[in-house]
Amino acid sequence: DIQMTQSPSSLSASVGDRVTITCRASQSITSYLNWYQQKPGKAPKLLIYATSTLQSGVPSRFSGSGYGTDFTLTISSLQPEDSATYYCQQSYSTPYTFGQGTKLEIK
Amino acid sequence: EVQVVESGGGLVKLGGSLGLSCAASGFTFSDSTMNWVRQAPGRGLEWVSSIDSGSSYINYADSVKGRFTFSRDNAKNSLFLQMNSLRVEDTAVYYCARGSGDGFDYWGQGILVTVSS
Repeated sequence: DIQMTQSPSSLSASVGDRVTITCRASQSITSYLNWYQQKPGKAPKLLIYATSTLQSGVPSRFSGSGYGTDFTLTISSLQPEDSATYYCQQSYSTPYTFGQGTKLEIK
Repeated sequence: EVQVVESGGGLVKLGGSLGLSCAASGFTFSDSTMNWVRQAPGRGLEWVSSIDSGSSYINYADSVKGRFTFSRDNAKNSLFLQMNSLRVEDTAVYYCARGSGDGFDYWGQGILVTVSS
């Protein structure tokens, strides 16, 4: 199985900050990397798929990059509504494993 | 409008069985790969199972293989997850979600399954 490791596990940042979350796969997954945002009590929401393609309706301050084993999610200018837990997921092969999550808090 | 609605959750005893259903609308269900994803209380997301559009390819996480059975009825736009030999560690919110290689784009609201010892 492919293991997904996110860092950091949590972070606190201020409105307007640039925030980066990283995700590392235990083997190459080419571009099959997706990012989700989950708020408490809600279902996850797909933000970015195929490493860098923004899902419809997602603000352009979110972006993704990477290839192979190392990936990043960047929020260019943090907004209060971005407070959430973020998960990466590989969809290269089953089991479609998720990272452990990054809890993002607004200072 | 896309709707994905899970049902059938609840409290079950250790070793018992429970069936979950998922009803979908607003997209071409019969062309879609569907999945179950679960989240234990206070924990992260765990993919459980996927089924392709024609039920030809069904995959399971090792943690549920041999105990859970995933099926679908394209005529009724419905999914079913039969869960047997339930363990305490199966306690989670179970989500039904559409997708495969390009991520999971449509999710239900989730349904809680609690396995008591």
